[in-house]
Amino acid sequence: KNQVEQSPQSLIILEGKNCTLQCNYTVSPFSNLRWYKQDTGRGPVSLTIMTFSENTKSNGRYTATLDADTKQSSLHITASQLSDSASYICVVSAWGGGADGLTFGKGTHLIIQP
Amino acid sequence: DTEVTQTPKHLVMGMTNKKSLKCEQHMGHRAMYWYKQKAKKPPELMFVYSYEKLSINESVPSRFSPECPNSSLLNLHLHALQPEDSALYLCASSQDQGSSSYEQYFGPGTRLTVT
Repeated sequence: KNQVEQSPQSLIILEGKNCTLQCNYTVSPFSNLRWYKQDTGRGPVSLTIMTFSENTKSNGRYTATLDADTKQSSLHITASQLSDSASYICVVSAWGGGADGLTFGKGTHLIIQP
Repeated sequence: DTEVTQTPKHLVMGMTNKKSLKCEQHMGHRAMYWYKQKAKKPPELMFVYSYEKLSINESVPSRFSPECPNSSLLNLHLHALQPEDSALYLCASSQDQGSSSYEQYFGPGTRLTVT
């Protein structure tokens, strides 16, 4: 069964600090991995999308890594800002699966404190 | 324009009411989706439309009825809902449904409360 596990479930850090969120998956055959940011009560917004041949991708202060061998990904946030407070969802796509081939993680709830 | 819009933003309805949620995109995407999301849970796929035809129905109760009037619009008709149907309903679209590599763009969601 395809699964995506994220850790930690929740995280509180001070403004300006860095943090790293983890995503482990067992989706097969692997197509791509996406990180989304979701503000409370809003729709998810895409941060990065990586295929198996990419091992790092950046979007501003967000840097995602992918190790397709160990089936792990991380999202690193640099110099956190209050606006980074949100849920971060890891979504893994299986080849040939189309829309129903997406497996969502439960997300990491990140709180940035001033 | 990479925006998916949804209306209304909030909806409160009784269990005997009939209401509709609306979604619109003008990116030329041919696949559109409805998701249901409960608090602190990931989105759950409900329906997928591909080229204006229903291609996936994830065993959703008949009190939810999707409609795709044209390639830019997606509706979700609601009737005789239960309190447990209260959730954030998300619409998304992508260039096509067939390939897992296409990016899905999500709308802001409709917060539905059933009383």
